[in-house]
Amino acid sequence: EAGVAQSPRYKIIEKRQSVAFWCNPISGHATLYWYQQILGQGPKLLIQFQNNGVVDDSQLPKDRFSAERLKGVDSTLKIQPAKLEDSAVYLCASSLGADRGSSETQYFGPGTRLLVL
Amino acid sequence: AQSVTQLGSHVSVSEGALVLLRCNYSSSVPPYLFWYVQYPNQGLQLLLKYTTGATLVKGINGFEAEFKKSETSFHLTKPSAHMSDAAEYFCAVSDAGSARQLTFGSGTQLTVLP
Repeated sequence: EAGVAQSPRYKIIEKRQSVAFWCNPISGHATLYWYQQILGQGPKLLIQFQNNGVVDDSQLPKDRFSAERLKGVDSTLKIQPAKLEDSAVYLCASSLGADRGSSETQYFGPGTRLLVL
Repeated sequence: AQSVTQLGSHVSVSEGALVLLRCNYSSSVPPYLFWYVQYPNQGLQLLLKYTTGATLVKGINGFEAEFKKSETSFHLTKPSAHMSDAAEYFCAVSDAGSARQLTFGSGTQLTVLP
């Protein structure tokens, strides 16, 4: 079974530029998550999708970050304009989304490492 | 609100020695608890999880963890460390009211010395 795919793996941009990350979840997984992992910290949830609807985006800085999940499969996360403090690893994860409880395993992709100069 | 505290951002053990990584949580309702491992330049991989039932949970690669409600702890152990265990380990919590959302601790970097 193929895992969660993300691209690009690395990105270097200058502040105020824009950048986009792509995620392809495990086939059949209804729930998709984007996390931000700053160096030395644990991942922090940015946004959660159930199929193509947003479940929670309360921690997404909406003035500069946007995300979409068209057709309930692939997802893109965009930053525009980027700031120095956006330097981090952006992780995508997916889960079956089949049960309403919270014990489902989330499967993580390898992440995109972003450096903003 | 949930929170997770991992005591010790760096832990070093000798190969063959006991591994003990500490995790304490706070949750207003019965929690679900997870341990993930992250190898360099890779995503997180689930080691084990506690949902309900038996409080001693066995995971992959010889790791296990015990849920202790009275101590609000979920420490990760392995009897004998292997060089391949060197990685960063994250404890995480969710609960029935959080729509599967995970709250992570800040991680513990495990170094295994030859």
